[in-house]
Amino acid sequence: RKEVEQDPGPFNVPEGATVAFNCTYSNSASQSFFWYRQDCRKEPKLLMSVYSSGNEDGRFTAQLNRASQYISLLIRDSKLSDSATYLCVVNQAGTALIFGKGTTLSVSS
Amino acid sequence: EPEVTQTPSHQVTQMGQEVILRCVPISNHLYFYWYRQILGQKVEFLVSFYNNEISEKSEIFDDQFSVERPDGSNFTLKIRSTKLEDSAMYFCASSVTGDEKLFFGSGTQLSVL
Repeated sequence: RKEVEQDPGPFNVPEGATVAFNCTYSNSASQSFFWYRQDCRKEPKLLMSVYSSGNEDGRFTAQLNRASQYISLLIRDSKLSDSATYLCVVNQAGTALIFGKGTTLSVSS
Repeated sequence: EPEVTQTPSHQVTQMGQEVILRCVPISNHLYFYWYRQILGQKVEFLVSFYNNEISEKSEIFDDQFSVERPDGSNFTLKIRSTKLEDSAMYFCASSVTGDEKLFFGSGTQLSVL
């Protein structure tokens, strides 16, 4: 099974900062893409799906570049509550989700 | 909001013992999964289950592992003879269609001594 690679961080930013995470995936047959959020010792929770046209949900923007097999997540106006690990997740049709190791974000006041 | 429930939240066992981890998926979901996460590592896929049979499994899911949906609501993961390296957080998840959002339970922390 091919891998999903992420910069592990940690990213340490002040409140109000803009921060971007990147992810690459190696299987060109991947069809669905997601960002999950995981708090310490908790279960992963879906943050947002990632669509080819790019999509935005409030302060969060996700982009997909299929040609480069690259996914990004942009967080604007960071809040203390954004501190977590952000997991890049991909799958092919009909197969299980494959998780990256995650990028840790720490937002400080 | 409906949720996936897992029991127990913590399980301590001796090496070589059998353990059963239990999950109740969301009631109208059709696809069920087990994932595990060793401390400090990534979330790893173990097995998916649909229509009362395994639809996919990883190389981690060897003969020591089995899954069952005994009564239409519970979904269990059995480890026949636990090893030290089985110590991890085990997450159950379910989804409606299998290709979209997974709902995870809060996990069972398994410690093998």
